[in-house]
Amino acid sequence: GDSVTQMEGPVTLSEEAFLTINCTYTATGYPSLFWYVQYPGEGLQLLLKATKADDKGSNKGFEATYRKETTSFHLEKGSVQVSDSAVYFCALSDPFGNSMDSNYQLIWGAGTKLIIKP
Amino acid sequence: GAGVSQSPRYKVAKRGQDVALRCDPISGHVSLFWYQQALGQGPEFLTYFQNEAQLDKSGLPSDRFFAERPEGSVSTLKIQRTQQEDSAVYLCASSWLDEQYFGPGTRLTVT
Repeated sequence: GDSVTQMEGPVTLSEEAFLTINCTYTATGYPSLFWYVQYPGEGLQLLLKATKADDKGSNKGFEATYRKETTSFHLEKGSVQVSDSAVYFCALSDPFGNSMDSNYQLIWGAGTKLIIKP
Repeated sequence: GAGVSQSPRYKVAKRGQDVALRCDPISGHVSLFWYQQALGQGPEFLTYFQNEAQLDKSGLPSDRFFAERPEGSVSTLKIQRTQQEDSAVYLCASSWLDEQYFGPGTRLTVT
């Protein structure tokens, strides 16, 4: 079945450092890919998405490019801030995969905790 | 506009008790999802509604779990005879096309 694998955390960086959080996936169809963020004490928020190969999603200085050849969707930011400290989840939606009951359910990675130190 | 709301935010139940968790989706969102999130893990799919129809319940872990959305808006997830392994955060999301919007979750602790 479909799956998402992301790098284990916690990832600890200093403010203004470059961030990469790796995410790879397996899917039978043509999935859409997502990054969600969960700030402390808050619910999951959609950070960015990409719906087809070579698309780049971007938001709040974060970027991720849908790479079909490497089945990856790595999250990057050029200069992180303390306020970026959160848990980041990579997810996919594969509504036209091999399931007879296709829907837009999200399949998630385990999450990566990011800690930014001033 | 209002987002997805869930109640209660926290629930402590004794083993064997029944619980009911409520989700109010964003108005007009046809699709509604329930997920279960264990500590330190990503969410796991439980069930999916399109309007009032439950189209997929393949993720419900046992027949003690039951979900409904009778008028195509508010949804309730019910867990009967709770067990310790049911302790988790239960997330509700409503969606527009492929974008899901999440509520804050209900943290269930079974003692």
